[in-house]
Amino acid sequence: ETGVTQSPTHLIKTRGQQVTLRCSSQSGHNTVSWYQQALGQGPQFIFQYYREEENGRGNFPPRFSGLQFPNYSSELNVNALELDDSALYLCASSLALVGTSGNEQFFGPGTRLTVL
Amino acid sequence: AQSVTQLDSQVPVFEEAPVELRCNYSSSVSVYLFWYVQYPNQGLQLLLKYLSGSTLVKGINGFEAEFNKSQTSFHLRKPSVHISDTAEYFCAVNSGYSTLTFGKGTMLLVSP
Repeated sequence: ETGVTQSPTHLIKTRGQQVTLRCSSQSGHNTVSWYQQALGQGPQFIFQYYREEENGRGNFPPRFSGLQFPNYSSELNVNALELDDSALYLCASSLALVGTSGNEQFFGPGTRLTVL
Repeated sequence: AQSVTQLDSQVPVFEEAPVELRCNYSSSVSVYLFWYVQYPNQGLQLLLKYLSGSTLVKGINGFEAEFNKSQTSFHLRKPSVHISDTAEYFCAVNSGYSTLTFGKGTMLLVSP
């Protein structure tokens, strides 16, 4: 069973650029969540995708967008990068079953984004 | 809205000593609670979770936590820590849609 993988590991961009981060879910999982973890902080929820539809969003501007593909892999896109976007971006996958809650999320190792 | 407060940003402790990492949450509905550990330059690994049932939850690596509804707490404990337990520990609450609200983390520093 393959765990959650993310690419790239590290990325350096400049202000105003656009970036795409990628995540492969754990086998059998149908839900992907993205989190931003700034230095010295806990992860902050960006959004979640369930069966290719956005299924919840945190307090992030529209320049943060995402996609989930039929194989349940996912992308996080950030436009017009700002210095404060520098952070570790974590992807987590889970298996959401109808009528259940508290499903365990399995995290990838993250992508470290630096905006100069 | 739900929130999580981790009362200590750092907890220094000597090897083989007991440790408690404190976590309080606020929520108007039933909650599911989690503790995750993050080693340097790595993602998050689940230590344990409380969904329902017994309020004492046992996890991996000898950790356990107790859910206290009246005090809205979910403190993490280990009777004897090892150097390898040095890491950042995050308490989290389920916020619906299976998303998580995290605390700011507690850095556990174990020294010989």
